[in-house]
Order: sequence, then structure tokens, then C-alpha cells
Amino acid sequence: NAGVTQTPKFRILKIGQSMTLQCTQDMNHNYMYWYRQDPGMGLKLIYYSVGAGITDKGEVPNGYNVSRSTTEDFPLRLELAAPSQTSVYFCASSYGGETQYFGPGTRLLVL
Amino acid sequence: DQQVKQNSPSLSVQEGRISILNCDYTNSMFDYFLWYKKYPAEGPTFLISISSIKDKNEDGRFTVFLNKSAKHLSLHIVPSQPGDSAVYFCAARGMDSSYKLIFGSGTRLLVRP
Repeated sequence: NAGVTQTPKFRILKIGQSMTLQCTQDMNHNYMYWYRQDPGMGLKLIYYSVGAGITDKGEVPNGYNVSRSTTEDFPLRLELAAPSQTSVYFCASSYGGETQYFGPGTRLLVL
Repeated sequence: DQQVKQNSPSLSVQEGRISILNCDYTNSMFDYFLWYKKYPAEGPTFLISISSIKDKNEDGRFTVFLNKSAKHLSLHIVPSQPGDSAVYFCAARGMDSSYKLIFGSGTRLLVRP
């Protein structure tokens, strides 16, 4: 089991560019989550999904979009990147209310 | 409005001694509290949790205490080891079916040899 994998590990974007952060899990988890972590801060929830085809906003959804067409994948889309989106992004998955397992993160720098 | 607070950004302890990490919360509608450990350039990893109906949970060197009346929880690590040096996040889970976690800002623990 690879667990939760995220690509890319690191990316530099110019202001106004767009990109997709990939997240895949091989644990057959129904719940998946996207968090961002800013320096010195805790993780804040961007979007989450309780199953394929079902997504909902978290605490900080503005500037992001998600889709969940399969159980395994939960990509996060950034449209019109802004410097405020410079952060480390973590994807997590869980089986219902069980422990959330996190990926290694994607470090994004918007210049 | 921070619902989960970790007021100590850092903590330094001697190897073999006890490490105590603290966390406060403001919302009574949390049903589970969790501690995650994070090394640099890695994702958080689950350490230990406690249900809101309990006041203590122990797993090896790690014990979490919950004081509901004070809305306070703490993580005790005994004895502390250099490999425990990491950032520790406290998280609280809401009672709705999304199982969303609210994280504190983290405490960086340094265990000195």
C-alpha cells in the first residue's frame, strides 16, 4: 500500500496561472480532504468529499475547486493563482470517522 | 476565531524527562480529540486520540488527558526521546458526518540528548 500520494512535491507558479494538485489513495477510503498549512499555522480545511461525486466546502474554499469522479482520486484545482495561495497543501483520506491519513504534501510558491 | 488553540509555539525538554503539550478548545460540540505528529517535509501522522466521553487514553509512552470542564487537553510523553522532536498538532473533530478536523497551530518539541 502506498497510502496517500500527492504530486507534484513542489511547484512555482506565476500570478494568474492555474494548476491541479493531484491526490490519490489506495486504501479504498470514502472520505478525502484537502488542507493548506501556512507558516506557523495549523492546517485549514479547503474542501472535502464523503464519496465519489460528492464534495463540499471547508473553511477556506475561495480560489479552489475540486472534483471526485473516483474513490481513489481527489484533485484540487487552483484557478488564477495568487500570492495568498503560497502554502503547503496536504491531502488526507479516512474510512468514515476513522483516523485521517495524510499525504506528504505539495509545496506551492506563487510569485 | 480559533476554536482550537495551542498557546505554546515551542517546548524544549531533556531526554528522559516528561514532555507536556497543551491544547485548549472553545466549542463543546467536538466528539473526538486527536494528536498528530509532523516531521519536516512530511505529512502529519496520527499519534493518539481520545473520545469526549473519556478523560484519559494511554498508548505506550503517550498519554492524552481531557478536562471537559476546562475545555483543555494535554499530551504527555514519558520518557521523551530525541526522535520525538517534531511539531505536534492538536485537532478536534466535529459531531457532524463530515468528520472534519479543526487543527491548532502546533507546538514544536525539541528533545535534547
